[in-house]
This record gives sequence, C-alpha cells and structure tokens, in this order.
Amino acid sequence: AQTVTQSQPEMSVQEAETVTLSCTYDTSENNYYLFWYKQPPSRQMILVIRQEAYKQQNATENRFSVNFQKAAKSFSLKISDSQLGDTAMYFCAFMKQHNAGNMLTFGGGTRLMVKP
Amino acid sequence: NAGVMQNPRHLVRRRGQEARLRCSPMKGHSHVYWYRQLPEEGLKFMVYLQKENIIDESGMPKERFSAEFPKEGPSILRIQQVVRGDSAAYFCASSQTQRGNTEAFFGQGTRLTVV
Repeated sequence: AQTVTQSQPEMSVQEAETVTLSCTYDTSENNYYLFWYKQPPSRQMILVIRQEAYKQQNATENRFSVNFQKAAKSFSLKISDSQLGDTAMYFCAFMKQHNAGNMLTFGGGTRLMVKP
Repeated sequence: NAGVMQNPRHLVRRRGQEARLRCSPMKGHSHVYWYRQLPEEGLKFMVYLQKENIIDESGMPKERFSAEFPKEGPSILRIQQVVRGDSAAYFCASSQTQRGNTEAFFGQGTRLTVV
C-alpha cells in the first residue's frame, strides 16, 4: 500500500514571497503519478500540478513548480510570487500507473495562509 | 460541458436514518470514484465504479455503505443507519478512461452532518 505524508499542518507566507510545501511518499511501485491539489474554502478540489515518475524534469505550471526527488521519495511544491488567492488547503496525492483506475492516495494536507 | 455535479451540497440526517448522495459525472466520463474527507484530514478513497459495475471497493466500510452507478442516471452512495462518525464531506470524481494519464475531475462534495 502507498502512503503520503505532509509534515507541515500549517504554513504562512507574505504576499509576493515564495513558499515551499513538503510531501514524502512511500511505495514499491516504479511507475506512478504525483499530484498537488488545492482546496479553497469552497471545498472544490483543483488540480495544481502533476508529475510522471518516469520524467526526470520537474513539472512547472506558471507560478507553481515541483522538486521531485524519486530516490528520496520526495515531492515538494514551490509557489512563487504568492497571491492572496493561493490561501487554501494543499494536498499531495499519489496514483499508480496502471490501467485499473485513477484512485488517488492523499496526504493529510497543509493549510497555507497568504498574508497581505 | 458541465463539471462533475454532486447533490445535495449539504445533507443533515438524524442517527439511524439513511443518506443518499448523488454524483453525475462529466459528459463522456464513465468512471466514477468516491472519496470521504473527515474534518481536518485528507480525502480517503472509498470505491471505484464503471457503468453498472463496482471495480474496486477496497476503501468502503463493510457495513451500511453501498454504491451503484446504473446504466442511466447518476452514481449513488448510500449510507444506511447513519452514525455521528459518518459526518464528513463526500467527494465524487470522474474520468474518461481508467488510464493514469487522464485527469480525474472532482465535484464540490456533499457535506453530511449526522445529528
């Protein structure tokens, strides 16, 4: 079974600054996907970024980038130029790479507060 | 193209009653996943369904919980004889295929409160 751990229950950052959220995972799989989801107060789960484990290059999406360290089983999210709208819960998630469904294993989440 | 629709958004039930949560996947999606989110926790996988079939129910409690995804109509998560511990947000996600390179889209969830 897979486990995903987010060791920072809460974080805060000043607007326009950079913040990094940590995520580690445990798996015996070699091929898999990793995700970061954002959950604002509306509760909607929004996909922020995804990474295929077979790709060495770190994924980036505008102000969001990841630091994927496969050997260390680490997948951190960096948010640059933080904005007030980034305030939300952030969840790291793992998915096996197979043709048997897109079931996600989530971490416990990090609550991010962006301060003006 | 409407997103994943869940209803109701909020549901209050007394202990011992039944709760029925509905999920209409995105158009063209035939794969549905249900997750439960307890307060201050991450989402936990419950069950994966395709049309008329339960594919993986490894996260589903053995008693009182059931799910279906009929040929016509929404997917239903049914909780019988609810207890306080069932209070949570229940999320549905859908995907076009079962392959990992396709995104699963989430609904806004149903918040169940058992009083």
